[in-house]
Amino acid sequence: DGGITQSPKYLFRKEGQNVTLSCEQNLNHDAMYWYRQDPGQGLRLIYYSQIVNDFQKGDIAEGYSVSREKKESFPLTVTSAQKNPTAFYLCASSTSRGWDSPLHFGNGTRLTVT
Amino acid sequence: ILNVEQSPQSLHVQEGDSTNFTCSFPSSNFYALHWYRWETAKSPEALFVMTLNGDEKKKGRISATLNTKEGYSYLYIKGSQPEDSATYLCALRITQGGSEKLVFGKGMKLTVNP
Repeated sequence: DGGITQSPKYLFRKEGQNVTLSCEQNLNHDAMYWYRQDPGQGLRLIYYSQIVNDFQKGDIAEGYSVSREKKESFPLTVTSAQKNPTAFYLCASSTSRGWDSPLHFGNGTRLTVT
Repeated sequence: ILNVEQSPQSLHVQEGDSTNFTCSFPSSNFYALHWYRWETAKSPEALFVMTLNGDEKKKGRISATLNTKEGYSYLYIKGSQPEDSATYLCALRITQGGSEKLVFGKGMKLTVNP
């Protein structure tokens, strides 16, 4: 079945460590996105990529980095510079580079940093 | 700061009741409005993408309308069932600083009691 796979589902890290969240899609979608959810807030955009080897910062990119070396993969690295990394992270993709296509989401990764 | 407001924030109804949610947004520079349903332990699922003033879309017992001039969209569920229990998200497509993105509301949590 086609879809988006995020791994792992739960991730625990010590403060000061970088951690990479995986996102893979086999939907042949051009565009991929990373969102963060915090309690009481809407989903906030971290980074997005509309084509391989290109990506743009979203609203809260500080302390995060991404790469888009393959169409299928869009890993997110949470660096030690991210002040409040504990959150639920959602990856999504869409068929076109525009925003009129609906997003297809993964199941998310819950990151806890202590 | 652009705000996408959803109301009510939560709703408890009995099976068979009909429900109506509102998504409010700034009416200037409208491009598209997305609705998603997010069930617990699952990934958000797209319901509708609406682009034209006066749009009405329907999917089973769920329908949505759009008024871009006054800046609101209604999501209506007829005869709610327990399986409709979920968080419903709306998201507005905007351009900001030369780039495009989706801005999500905080969501509306619906609980349908059998």
